[in-house]
Amino acid sequence: EAQVTQNPRYLITVTGKKLTVTCSQNMNHEYMSWYRQDPGLGLRQIYYSMNVEVTDKGDVPEGYKVSRKEKRNFPLILESPSPNQTSLYFCASRKTGASTEAFFGQGTRLTVV
Amino acid sequence: QKEVEQDPGPLSVPEGAIVSLNCTYSNSAFQYFMWYRQYSRKGPELLMYTYSSGNKEDGRFTAQVDKSSKYISLFIRDSQPSDSATYLCAMKAVGNYGGSQGNLIFGKGTKLSVKP
Repeated sequence: EAQVTQNPRYLITVTGKKLTVTCSQNMNHEYMSWYRQDPGLGLRQIYYSMNVEVTDKGDVPEGYKVSRKEKRNFPLILESPSPNQTSLYFCASRKTGASTEAFFGQGTRLTVV
Repeated sequence: QKEVEQDPGPLSVPEGAIVSLNCTYSNSAFQYFMWYRQYSRKGPELLMYTYSSGNKEDGRFTAQVDKSSKYISLFIRDSQPSDSATYLCAMKAVGNYGGSQGNLIFGKGTKLSVKP
């Protein structure tokens, strides 16, 4: 089954404790991205990657890091989480070029206290 | 001005009603226009997409694009409680678009509730 898998689904952590949210896709897609979704603000892109070892900032990259060492994996790293990073996070993947269909993971609900 | 504007609602309608959801945009480079549906506690899923102007129909759903007005619509006929979800419009330019290389640009989403 074609899918994007995020882990964990739910996470409560304390301010300053480094964490990683994993994302893996099995569709051999070149393009992967991370979004955060907040009430009233919609989906905002954090980082994206056009291919292995190629990453770039989205609209709200501050406080986040990513890496793309393998085509299927695109982890999101919060080096020092803060309460304003409490949000619902989605990973997505798609083919590059004219493709319009992005496949989203189930989401990770992160709470930073 | 945001690139894509979408009324967040919420929108509540009775079962069987015709629903109209809309987005406006400012970037003339957009050529692909999409509607994603997001159920509660799930990730968005592509519902329909249209290239350039015109209409596209899929069952009870019709997507319309008016590029002259920079306005897109999604119509749902005979709405059902199972259509209750948040609907997000999304748009994409053709080829490279500044530094974002054809990223999908999303509206904020409209939350729809269809009451039995």
